[in-house]
Amino acid sequence: ELKVEQNPLFLSMQEGKNYTIYCNYSTTSDRLYWYRQDPGKSLESLFVLLSNGAVKQEGRLMASLDTKARLSTLHITAAVHDLSATYFCASTRGYGGSQGNLIFGKGTKLSVKP
Amino acid sequence: ETGVTQTPRHLVMGMTNKKSLKCEQHLGHNAMYWYKQSAKKPLELMFVYNFKEQTENNSVPSRFSPECPNSSHLFLHLHTLQPEDSALYLCASSQGGTGTEKLFFGSGTQLSVL
Repeated sequence: ELKVEQNPLFLSMQEGKNYTIYCNYSTTSDRLYWYRQDPGKSLESLFVLLSNGAVKQEGRLMASLDTKARLSTLHITAAVHDLSATYFCASTRGYGGSQGNLIFGKGTKLSVKP
Repeated sequence: ETGVTQTPRHLVMGMTNKKSLKCEQHLGHNAMYWYKQSAKKPLELMFVYNFKEQTENNSVPSRFSPECPNSSHLFLHLHTLQPEDSALYLCASSQGGTGTEKLFFGSGTQLSVL
């Protein structure tokens, strides 16, 4: 059974600081997704990582995937208040799975303070 | 706006009521999904429809009944629910079903069962 674990589940950080969110998954998978959810709003797709060693960056967020370690990271550089949200990682069961087979982590609630 | 609209935004119902949640996507996608987001659990996939055909039912109790009359509309019919069914119900859509495309989520319906 695929399990996806994120840590930390809660993260309070100061503006300007760097931090990393970790996402471990328990079984073989070839893809990893990151989503963002603002309070009271829908989930927004951030990154789709499709292969070992994949790295994607947008703004102050950078995501990477190590399929051998079954680990993805979401690195935050010089955090700003606008990044405050809950971040979810998700993986699929097996190889080539559609997004209908996504298994989500519990989410990391990020709060960026001045 | 993500192009996926859910109504109502909030719903309070008794255990003997029958109600329906509606989802409409304006993105021309061919796959639609229902997810359940509970306060203390990861996001859970409920149902998947590809080209109006149900392709996954993730062991959801029969008191939840999905309907997909066309590729743009998805309903979730609710009857004799339990208090533990109180959650945020999210609809999503995607194009292709290959696993590489992004999921686009609606804002959700916050359901409270009394």
